[in-house]
Amino acid sequence: QVQLVESGGGVVQPGRSLRLSCAVSGLNFRTYTMHWVRQAPGKGLEWVAAIMYDVNTKYYADSMKGRFIISRDNSKNTLYLQMDSLRAEDTAVYYCAADSSGRGTLEYWGQGTLVTVSS
Amino acid sequence: QSVVTQPPSASGTPGQRVTISCSGSSSNIGSNGVTWYQQLPGTAPKLLIYNNNQRPSGVPDRFSGSKSDTSASLAISGLQSEDEADYYCAAWDGSLNGRVFGGGTKLTVL
Repeated sequence: QVQLVESGGGVVQPGRSLRLSCAVSGLNFRTYTMHWVRQAPGKGLEWVAAIMYDVNTKYYADSMKGRFIISRDNSKNTLYLQMDSLRAEDTAVYYCAADSSGRGTLEYWGQGTLVTVSS
Repeated sequence: QSVVTQPPSASGTPGQRVTISCSGSSSNIGSNGVTWYQQLPGTAPKLLIYNNNQRPSGVPDRFSGSKSDTSASLAISGLQSEDEADYYCAAWDGSLNGRVFGGGTKLTVL
């Protein structure tokens, strides 16, 4: 049974940092491309970033470049998202998702973790 | 404002066939495969269609996808009350070098 479990969300002040984690089990993690996707309250899905199985190939949405860093630890089957200089508009549920195709077919999703940026 | 456009809402009655459109450009839908996701209220999205028209195992064949040039469509036949959800299309965008989602379509079963 495939499980993706996000953690690390919470309330943070504008300008501060937060690191999200996504623990993955039930699949061969090191062969999957991993993604972060977010959803602001009452809004649609927004792709955040992706990291390929090779650890070094990364892609970011323009609005997140320079502030967010995606990384993974294949020995721990864990995906990370380091978020710096957080803004109110970063408030959202953050989902991690697994993609075996490497072409953005997000087959498995976590339940999401809520990040609230507020003073 | 997404570079991939969907109608914000759609509706149908039980048993009816409904289609949801997804319009993009040559840099996304026109040159890359389209995926569709279903998001039931209060839950994480679920993969519905990949590579334009492929269904993962477990997805009923009532759901089908198609693509033509820079547009794609999701069709749901034999509409059921449990199909009431938000539906999103997505594709890789070569100009943005990133994945893009449509704005989502809220499907109401009347």
